[in-house]
Amino acid sequence: EPEVTQTPSHQVTQMGQEVILRCVPISNHLYFYWYRQILGQKVEFLVSFYNNEISEKSEIFDDQFSVERPDGSNFTLKIRSTKLEDSAMYFCASSVSRGGSGDTQYFGPGTRLTVL
Amino acid sequence: AQRVTQPEKLLSVFKGAPVELKCNYSYSGSPELFWYVQYSRQRLQLLLRHISRESIKGFTADLNKGETSFHLKKPFAQEEDSAMYYCALGGLQKLVFGTGTRLLVSP
Repeated sequence: EPEVTQTPSHQVTQMGQEVILRCVPISNHLYFYWYRQILGQKVEFLVSFYNNEISEKSEIFDDQFSVERPDGSNFTLKIRSTKLEDSAMYFCASSVSRGGSGDTQYFGPGTRLTVL
Repeated sequence: AQRVTQPEKLLSVFKGAPVELKCNYSYSGSPELFWYVQYSRQRLQLLLRHISRESIKGFTADLNKGETSFHLKKPFAQEEDSAMYYCALGGLQKLVFGTGTRLLVSP
């Protein structure tokens, strides 16, 4: 069964550094998402992406964040200048569509980002 | 504003006991509700969604629009049900998650 994959599984970085988290969505899916979960807190929506554009973003997704689909398979989340409070588990998800039975979001295993 | 409330952080039961994980939502539109489960060291995976009205692994959930609830139930818990359970609100361009309930089923 196809799965969403994410790399790396764990990223450690220094405050102020740029990080890129990578995701490979399920191949026939058209909608892509990033979520994050700070330790002990709930899973929070960051951004959704469709047709090479951001569809919606949360207030967390400020100018320090960007997303890109650089080729036909990868979907990346970049944090330009990391802060301590960016430490979290970052989940990528994808779905076939936004409505009906196809909008189930399938999640990757997550990347744990630790900012020192 | 969209919000999902899971009032219990931890639910501990014995094997064979009935289980009910509570979920309430706040949404002015037409809600789509999901239950996701996360077993130890595994990814979030869909358990069930209200529009399919299925029973998965013995779990069921009924959307009650009057009470704005989508409680997850299982008549006889098994040890392998021990996991983190998240209720989520869809029908938007995103999922809004509750804080999750850890279910612990003891032998």
